Amino acid sequence: EAGVVQSPRYKIIEKKQPVAFWCNPISGHNTLYWYLQNLGQGPELLIRYENEEAVDDSQLPKDRFSAERLKGVDSTLKIQPAELGDSAVYLCASSLEGGQPYNEQFFGPGTRLTVL
Amino acid sequence: AQSVAQPEDQVNVAEGNPLTVKCTYSVSGNPYLFWYVQYPNRGLQFLLKYITGDNLVKGSYGFEAEFNKSQTSFHLKKPSALVSDSALYFCAVRDPTKAAGNKLTFGGGTRVLVKP
Repeated sequence: EAGVVQSPRYKIIEKKQPVAFWCNPISGHNTLYWYLQNLGQGPELLIRYENEEAVDDSQLPKDRFSAERLKGVDSTLKIQPAELGDSAVYLCASSLEGGQPYNEQFFGPGTRLTVL
Repeated sequence: AQSVAQPEDQVNVAEGNPLTVKCTYSVSGNPYLFWYVQYPNRGLQFLLKYITGDNLVKGSYGFEAEFNKSQTSFHLKKPSALVSDSALYFCAVRDPTKAAGNKLTFGGGTRVLVKP
């Protein structure tokens, strides 16, 4: 079974430029998460989707970050414009929840963003 | 608000010796507890979880963890460490009550270094 797929794996951009990350979750997983992980720290939730609906985006900086999950499968996270402090690893995860919050999350390899 | 503490930034252990990675948590309800491992340039991999029942949980790669409600702890253990266990370990807690927003909160991580 294929795991969570993310692309690109690495991205280097100049500040004020836009950037987008793509995630393909495990087939059949209705819940999708985007996390931000700073070096040496634990992941922090940015947004959680249940199917197409963003059910928790309270930690998403909405002035510059946006996300979408069309058709309840793939998802895209966008930053526009990027700032130096956005340099981090962006992780996508998925799980089969359906009202069962004890299911573990499966993580992709992440996208390492460097903003110069 | 729920929280997770991993009091040790790094744990050093000789190969073949027992390994313990500490984790304490704070939630208002009954917790769901998870351990994940992260290898360099990889996403997080699920190791084990506690939902309910037996306080001793067995997981992947010979790891186990003991849930202690009175001490609000969920320490990860392995009887005999391998060099390949060297990685970054994250404890996470989820409060399934509606008030907690069904959010998974990660600790700051503990780096494990197993020396030959």
